[in-house]
Amino acid sequence: AQSVTQLGSHVSVSEGALVLLRCNYSSSVPPYLFWYVQYPNQGLQLLLKYTTGATLVKGINGFEAEFKKSETSFHLTKPSAHMSDAAEYFCAVSEPPDFGNEKLTFGTGTRLTIIP
Amino acid sequence: DTGVSQDPRHKITKRGQNVTFRCDPISEHNRLYWYRQTLGQGPEFLTYFQNEAQLEKSRLLSDRFSAERPKGSFSTLEIQRTEQGDSAMYLCASSRLGLNQPQHFGDGTRLSIL
Repeated sequence: AQSVTQLGSHVSVSEGALVLLRCNYSSSVPPYLFWYVQYPNQGLQLLLKYTTGATLVKGINGFEAEFKKSETSFHLTKPSAHMSDAAEYFCAVSEPPDFGNEKLTFGTGTRLTIIP
Repeated sequence: DTGVSQDPRHKITKRGQNVTFRCDPISEHNRLYWYRQTLGQGPEFLTYFQNEAQLEKSRLLSDRFSAERPKGSFSTLEIQRTEQGDSAMYLCASSRLGLNQPQHFGDGTRLSIL
């Protein structure tokens, strides 16, 4: 079984400040890890993903995340927050293709607020 | 691609009524997923199709829920005898077969039970 824990249901940062959203996972097989963003009344948009290879992955809108196996973490960062980053962010884990159907298991989300 | 399309965007119904949602995946996407998202929570997996075959169903999918993908293209999710607890956002996602293929999500159908 897989699970995801997102520490902090609400995070507020000032515009221009560092964004750090925390995600820890549990998986019995090598995980695939994802960050999605959701704007109000919309579906989820993929920000970035880790499958294999380089542990630091870069995504859209200046976001990046680092897979740390020893810490079972996949924290999301952005050096400088922009007002348009205000949204709900979800970390998710799935099994690799040879283990299952790649269904996603999501965390409970972190609402990011940007302070002008 | 034109994206995943879901219809309707909003559905309000009385408890006990049946409802049906439709999902049109991105063309040529073989895989189709349904998820349910309740307020303040992340989406939870409901069921998965590869082409027209329904390959997995979550325990969350009670006997009142049924999903189909008759020709391997669009999919429908029906809820019979709706209950208050069915109020949620129902999300559809699709992806290609193959390694490292991300799931693309629609904007969802928000169901409200009166």
